[in-house]
Amino acid sequence: NAGVTQTPKFQVLKTGQSMTLQCAQDMNHEYMSWYRQDPGMGLRLIHYSVGAGITDQGEVPNGYNVSRSTTEDFPLRLLSAAPSQTSVYFCASRPQGASDTQYFGPGTRLTVL
Amino acid sequence: AQKITQTQPGMFVQEKEAVTLDCTYDTSDPSYGLFWYKQPSSGEMIFLIYQGSYDQQNATEGRYSLNFQKARKSANLVISASQLGDSAMYFCAMREGWYTGGFKTIFGAGTRLFVKA
Repeated sequence: NAGVTQTPKFQVLKTGQSMTLQCAQDMNHEYMSWYRQDPGMGLRLIHYSVGAGITDQGEVPNGYNVSRSTTEDFPLRLLSAAPSQTSVYFCASRPQGASDTQYFGPGTRLTVL
Repeated sequence: AQKITQTQPGMFVQEKEAVTLDCTYDTSDPSYGLFWYKQPSSGEMIFLIYQGSYDQQNATEGRYSLNFQKARKSANLVISASQLGDSAMYFCAMREGWYTGGFKTIFGAGTRLFVKA
């Protein structure tokens, strides 16, 4: 049971490049989400999904796309990277039932030059 | 709108002493959950403790306890007998709709705790 995994751990992009951050969980959790962490701001929700085929926007969705074709995977796409997207990105998952906390992946540190 | 405030950017505590990390929140939803996470320098997010808004007793998990004062809208984390390994960033978080399957969790800005030997 690997929990929540994220790849890559580190990534450097040039402005305008696109890429996909991968997230997978093997706990059969319905709910998955992406957060970004910037210094002094805690974690902010980018997008989330309540099940395969269902996604919705969080607090800071601009510049990011998501899809959820399977229960296990929830990739985050940066369409045209900008320096403002330099951050640490966390993926999290939890079961659908009430009163359950989230399980976080180890994070991806992204730098956009 | 829901909001989490952590007013202590940094805290120092002597090893083996207790420390309280402050967290206040704002919500109009009577059903919510409050969480604390620890983030060591390695970067991972570690869940510590949670409290539901209808829970009558304060939550405890080992050396961690959550001092829940509903009327004051505060959910302070108390760490007893601090250890050097407790040095980390601590985040308070809240999720509305806790008992009804609400999804969105918001986080405070965090408090960095330094434990001195």
